[in-house]
Amino acid sequence: QIQVEQSGPAVKEFGASVKLSCKTSGFTFTKSAVQWVRQARGEGLEWIGRIVVGTGNTDVAQKFHDRVTITRDMSTDTVHMELSTLTSEDTGVYYCAAVTASDWFLWDYWGQGALVTVSS
Amino acid sequence: DIQMTQSPSSLSASVGDTVSITCRASQDIYNSLDWFQQKPGKPPKLLLAAASRLTNGVPSRFSGRRSGTDYTLTVSNLQPEDSASYYCQQFYRVPFTFGQGTKLEIK
Repeated sequence: QIQVEQSGPAVKEFGASVKLSCKTSGFTFTKSAVQWVRQARGEGLEWIGRIVVGTGNTDVAQKFHDRVTITRDMSTDTVHMELSTLTSEDTGVYYCAAVTASDWFLWDYWGQGALVTVSS
Repeated sequence: DIQMTQSPSSLSASVGDTVSITCRASQDIYNSLDWFQQKPGKPPKLLLAAASRLTNGVPSRFSGRRSGTDYTLTVSNLQPEDSASYYCQQFYRVPFTFGQGTKLEIK
């Protein structure tokens, strides 16, 4: 069955970077896309960006475009997202979600979330 | 960017009631919209894909429809387990924007 497993929580200092991972299984990785979404405590969902795995093409929200890098590792069916120059506003839970080519609307496969805490 | 204006931000209803949540897109998104349910401490769960397609395991009490640029999620015969936050997300054009969310309380 399809599984999406995220890396664990991270505590980072102001100005540091964090690299999160999203390991997938149960589907053809090259025929999928993965999006990253974050949620501050008590707030709504915020779209960060996505990668089309087969082509490696990425799109990142303008708000993050100079701080976010999304990559994929074909050897481990894993997508990574690195967020740099962290501030307290980056504290929150980060989710990845996958969709497969069998249905590009079926964003049904979500990771469990990873809490990122940014402190001084 | 496509703006998704979701309303109401919160609502309270009783078991057995029917409620509706609406997302208005700032332009035509041609049914490129999913609805998610999220409970505290959990990732979002997909309810409806492409505006009105019920996904596996989701009760038929959930339904979706489109009218122009308005997309509506309706939950009929509310159950206690429907207490959650609900979000729409458009997939027509990047950035794939979310609505602001609706918190549904069951009295």
